[in-house]
Amino acid sequence: GAGVSQSPSNKVTEKGKDVELRCDPISGHTALYWYRQSLGQGLEFLIYFQGNSAPDKSGLPSDRFSAERTGGSVSTLTIQRTQQEDSAVYLCASSPAFWGDSYEQYFGPGTRLTVT
Amino acid sequence: ELKVEQNPLFLSMQEGKNYTIYCNYSTTSDRLYWYRQDPGKSLESLFVLLSNGAVKQEGRLMASLDTKARLSTLHITAAVHDLSATYFCAVDIWGAQKLVFGQGTRLTINP
Repeated sequence: GAGVSQSPSNKVTEKGKDVELRCDPISGHTALYWYRQSLGQGLEFLIYFQGNSAPDKSGLPSDRFSAERTGGSVSTLTIQRTQQEDSAVYLCASSPAFWGDSYEQYFGPGTRLTVT
Repeated sequence: ELKVEQNPLFLSMQEGKNYTIYCNYSTTSDRLYWYRQDPGKSLESLFVLLSNGAVKQEGRLMASLDTKARLSTLHITAAVHDLSATYFCAVDIWGAQKLVFGQGTRLTINP
């Protein structure tokens, strides 16, 4: 079946602009996660959604970052007033449950963001 | 704060040899994951280890988990070039709802 999809695959933006990154999870997956992968910081957790709510936003690097999820499906990660340090690959993952034997995160292909 | 450390971070080996990648973590965890990442690609799930003593094998890769030692190993047997990639271990904790990743081990297998 279809896996996690993300768009765009690549995004180049100028410093100070806003960007939106989109994630389509695997159909039926209730949990959705955003991570960031950069050379200096490795793989960092950003935020997760349980349905449409985000109980833990502590991983977001600054208040320029926000995320939402609608209809328990698609999620959008928004970065306002982008900075060069925001350049990274943003990975989305989804999971069919929050615990139990079926708890495994499936990752999308990522969005490579370059801020010039 | 949960910390996950892998070693080695870089590994260059010859085809046909055996080697082990180690993953240590700092607090009690119920489960551990191994992922593979090829250059420019996303993370591919290799193993999910759910309990102490768990051992899983797929082809030339075998993963094990010792929750008492807070250690997981990924063993490579008779390496082949196709296994060249970066390997990550990741740990989660009940209630945290996130994976904490190791730094990754960049494995290069030379003919």
